[in-house]
Amino acid sequence: QLVQSGAEVKKPGASVKVSCKTSGYTFTDYQIHWFRQAPGQGLEWMGRINPYSGVTNYEQKFQGRVTMTRDTSINTAYMEVTRLRSDDTAVYYCAKKVRPGGTSNWFDPWGQGTLVTVSS
Amino acid sequence: EIVMTQSPATLSVSPGESATLSCRASQSISSNLAWYQQKPGQAPRLLIYGASTRATGIPARFSGSGSGTEFTLTISSLQSEDFSVYYCQQYNSWPLTFGGGTKVEIK
Repeated sequence: QLVQSGAEVKKPGASVKVSCKTSGYTFTDYQIHWFRQAPGQGLEWMGRINPYSGVTNYEQKFQGRVTMTRDTSINTAYMEVTRLRSDDTAVYYCAKKVRPGGTSNWFDPWGQGTLVTVSS
Repeated sequence: EIVMTQSPATLSVSPGESATLSCRASQSISSNLAWYQQKPGQAPRLLIYGASTRATGIPARFSGSGSGTEFTLTISSLQSEDFSVYYCQQYNSWPLTFGGGTKVEIK
């Protein structure tokens, strides 16, 4: 199970940090990926973190503005977005890879989503 | 970046009928394709991976086919809970990308 933090309202230029608390499996065995979905739009992959090593990979458009971290003591992953813009308004999701390792990049379960609204 | 194109954008189907959704990749992705269902206000739910393998707990009325650049999700005998939006996702190469979705609505 993945449970995300609650909705946020931020002003342009601010930062937001979304948490994704996991349970029911060994946290360090499975990558966590982050996605977002703008209102009425499709899904967009943002990046991933290996909870065991802490190694991250980000989609190019988010490089320098997104940081993914984890706390293995509480089985929780985090994603921070800085320098927020109005077009960052979206529901942000974390999701767990179904299988550890390899190229099996399909995801289940997903967190319930966190709405981040960026507005002045 | 691989571009995924889904068609149609909206499909109107009567309960009990079948629905056929298409997903096309801008280049070959072998069988590295997943399908998700998303209901309003909910997170996506994995239906299919490997283009044709149903995820755990997914009813047999959902089936996937295809390889290379052309893929199909078929939902036979649509139930009320199947009216939803469906997305395809390729995982053949980075970045992972999704199609724009197909909304299956009640006719």
